[in-house]
Amino acid sequence: GESVGLHLPTLSVQEGDNSIINCAYSNSASDYFIWYKQESGKGPQFIIDIRSNMDKRQGQRVTVLLNKTVKHLSLQIAATQPGDSAVYFCAENMGLTGGGNKLTFGTGTQLKVEL
Amino acid sequence: KAGVTQTPRYLIKTRGQQVTLSCSPISGHRSVSWYQQTPGQGLQFLFEYFSETQRNKGNFPGRFSGRQFSNSRSEMNVSTLELGDSALYLCASSKPSLDNEQFFGPGTRLTVL
Repeated sequence: GESVGLHLPTLSVQEGDNSIINCAYSNSASDYFIWYKQESGKGPQFIIDIRSNMDKRQGQRVTVLLNKTVKHLSLQIAATQPGDSAVYFCAENMGLTGGGNKLTFGTGTQLKVEL
Repeated sequence: KAGVTQTPRYLIKTRGQQVTLSCSPISGHRSVSWYQQTPGQGLQFLFEYFSETQRNKGNFPGRFSGRQFSNSRSEMNVSTLELGDSALYLCASSKPSLDNEQFFGPGTRLTVL
């Protein structure tokens, strides 16, 4: 079936280093992807999104890369800070072609920032 | 601007009971989506409501239902609760826009005993 999956369940980085979180998707027709951050006890928080007509998008300290050839998505966090520690999810909005929202989430990656 | 609010935050029920969860979207947002989050299955889409109509639906049994009111507030109901329904139920709202950015509430933690 169609799915969005993450490669690594846990990623540990040193404070100040760059972090890269990866995600694979299987639906070649997907055209909208989102990264979310979820801290303990909270709902997911939007980080950045990208449409399939782009291969890169930058935000504040974050960059999302999309490789449609291999159906791969990545989130890069520059100068990782302790406050970045959280679970990161990639998601694909399956509802856009028919209108609306229907997010399919990856399994999540736990990012741990070591001091 | 107030965020998405969900009530109650915590709930304990027993098998066979039913439960109703409430979600108030951000002011001006007309789309409300519901998700179930469990350690085993992760985040799974339940359904989306827009202008009081269900617009998208996930792959959950008919025991899971929802509705949306004219003020965009939404409720979801789970009947005949099972142990496996224990989860964090998240609500997300979005305004009509090209990007459909969704804002999530803190969730309702449901425990079924």
